Amino acid sequence: AQSVTQPDIHITVSEGASLELRCNYSYGATPYLFWYVQSPGQGLQLLLKYFSGDTLVQGIKGFEAEFKRSQSSFNLRKPSVHWSDAAEYFCAVGEWTGNKLVFGAGTILRVKS
Amino acid sequence: DTAVSQTPKYLVTQMGNDKSIKCEQNLGHDTMYWYKQDSKKFLKIMFSYNNKELIINETVPNRFSPKSPDKAHLNLHINSLELGDSAVYFCASSRGTSGGGSDTQYFGPGTRLTVL
Repeated sequence: AQSVTQPDIHITVSEGASLELRCNYSYGATPYLFWYVQSPGQGLQLLLKYFSGDTLVQGIKGFEAEFKRSQSSFNLRKPSVHWSDAAEYFCAVGEWTGNKLVFGAGTILRVKS
Repeated sequence: DTAVSQTPKYLVTQMGNDKSIKCEQNLGHDTMYWYKQDSKKFLKIMFSYNNKELIINETVPNRFSPKSPDKAHLNLHINSLELGDSAVYFCASSRGTSGGGSDTQYFGPGTRLTVL
């Protein structure tokens, strides 16, 4: 069965520092990969997605992610974190059957000033 | 011009009661979903509908019954509420034309259900 692992439950970075959130997936075919962000008390907002082609994808709010098939990873990065980026980040893989999303457990990002 | 809306935002009720959560999307999408986010923030699919037809029923207790009166609405009715039903329930929608897991899903703001 498909699965997504986000190894870091919490990450704390200083404002202005770079950020990398890890995501590993298990999927038998070419994966469709997504990153969503959930601010406190809010719904999920799509940051970016990978379907095919260029393995470095750009998203909203200055985020990017790189798909590495050899490592089964789709890590999310941002060069300079802003305090408003504090939120929970979810990696997900789109499953062929029924188009459902299988989510990782999420990573909580804290930004210190 | 909210894309995916849910009502109510908060729902507090007693064990054993029956309650409904409503979801509407104005994106013209064909597919709608219900996800449950538990206390550990883990998100899991419950149901999906495509053009009012049930596509996914992910081993959810039959106390949960989704109803789709038209493709813009997907409501979730829960009978005989239990303490373990306390969670945040998210509705989502997608175009439903891509298939194969590539359809981008747009989420509503969530409904926080608390069962006392």
